[in-house]
Amino acid sequence: EAQVTQNPRYLITVTGKKLTVTCSQNMNHEYMSWYRQDPGLGLRQIYYSMNVEVTDKGDVPEGYKVSRKEKRNFPLILESPSPNQTSLYFCASSPWTGRTDTQYFGPGTRLTVL
Amino acid sequence: AQSVSQHNHHVILSEAASLELGCNYSYGGTVNLFWYVQYPGQHLQLLLKYFSGDPLVKGIKGFEAEFIKSKFSFNLRKPSVQWSDTAEYFCAGWYNNNDMRFGAGTRLTVKP
Repeated sequence: EAQVTQNPRYLITVTGKKLTVTCSQNMNHEYMSWYRQDPGLGLRQIYYSMNVEVTDKGDVPEGYKVSRKEKRNFPLILESPSPNQTSLYFCASSPWTGRTDTQYFGPGTRLTVL
Repeated sequence: AQSVSQHNHHVILSEAASLELGCNYSYGGTVNLFWYVQYPGQHLQLLLKYFSGDPLVKGIKGFEAEFIKSKFSFNLRKPSVQWSDTAEYFCAGWYNNNDMRFGAGTRLTVKP
């Protein structure tokens, strides 16, 4: 089944404790992206990647890192999480034949930073 | 900076009522427009998209949207909503600098 998977789905952590949220897609998509969803703000793009080893900042990259060493994986890294990073995070991928592509979203990761 | 705005935060309708959700995008050169839906507990999924051609776009589940360039709008419509349309709806624009912008979302509640 074609899908985007994220792990973990739920995470409670404490300020300053490094964490990684994994994202994997099995559709051989070139484009992958991370978003955070906050009430009243919708989805905001954190980082995106147009191919292996190619990443770029989105709208709200501060406090986050990403890497794209393999086509299928695009982990989101919070080196020193803070309470303002408490949010619902979505990973997405698309074939990238242009900006007309549909994005396929993962199930979301709900992160709470205490 | 580019932006996409949605006017309605929460819309409550009765079944069979007509729906129109507003979406406006800022000018930024070429922009491709999308409506995504998030049903309770589910992933975001595509309803419809516009990038060229006929400005009236038809999507899944009876939804349609009209691209009006002069108004920078891409409103979502459905003639008769069902209880199963209860969800959150997001308008999004993919700008030509690879910037993807989402609106804040509109929560739709359909009363049976």
